[in-house]
Amino acid sequence: DIQMTQSPSSLSASVGDRVTITCRASQSISSYLNWYQRKPGKAPKLLIYGVSSFQNGVPSRFSGSGSGTDFNLTIRSLQREDSATYYCQQSYSNPWTFGQGTRLEI
Amino acid sequence: QVTLKESGPALVKPTQTLTLTCAFSGFSLSTIGMRVSWIRQPPGKALEWLARIEWDDDKFYSTSLQTRLTISKDTSKNQVVLTMTKMDPVDTATYYCARTFLSGTAGYFDYWGQGTLVTVSS
Repeated sequence: DIQMTQSPSSLSASVGDRVTITCRASQSISSYLNWYQRKPGKAPKLLIYGVSSFQNGVPSRFSGSGSGTDFNLTIRSLQREDSATYYCQQSYSNPWTFGQGTRLEI
Repeated sequence: QVTLKESGPALVKPTQTLTLTCAFSGFSLSTIGMRVSWIRQPPGKALEWLARIEWDDDKFYSTSLQTRLTISKDTSKNQVVLTMTKMDPVDTATYYCARTFLSGTAGYFDYWGQGTLVTVSS
């Protein structure tokens, strides 16, 4: 199975800040990398798929980059509602696997 | 409008078999390319993909759980069922079903149910 490792596991930032969350795959996954946002009590929400494509309705302050094994999720101009846990997920090979999550506190 | 909703027992005893149902609307699993997955999240832990079923009845399972899982579909009812045998307290989690998109360039879970919490305890 492909292992997905996120860093940091948690971080604290302020409104208006820019933060970057990193996801590393144990082998190359090409561009089969997605990001999800999970708020307490709610289902995960797809933010970005295929490294950098936005799901409908996702604010443009979110962006994704990377290829191969190293990927980033960047959030510019943090808003209070961005407080959540973020997960990366690969769909390059079965079984699809998730990172362990990054908890973002605003 | 795509919606999914999970249902099943909130409490199961160790060694029992869990049966969960995902009722969905807004798409059909008889349509080429449609897929539904099950994913779970134990309290305080990460998301874990469990299984996927495809429009042509192909099935895929988590490597570590494949001996305990069975996924099936009832296209006429727009339902997907997941059974997990030999339940253990470590299987306590919120279980989600999600519509799954897969193409030559991307694969992701685009619509999720609200999840159902299953507690395994005697």
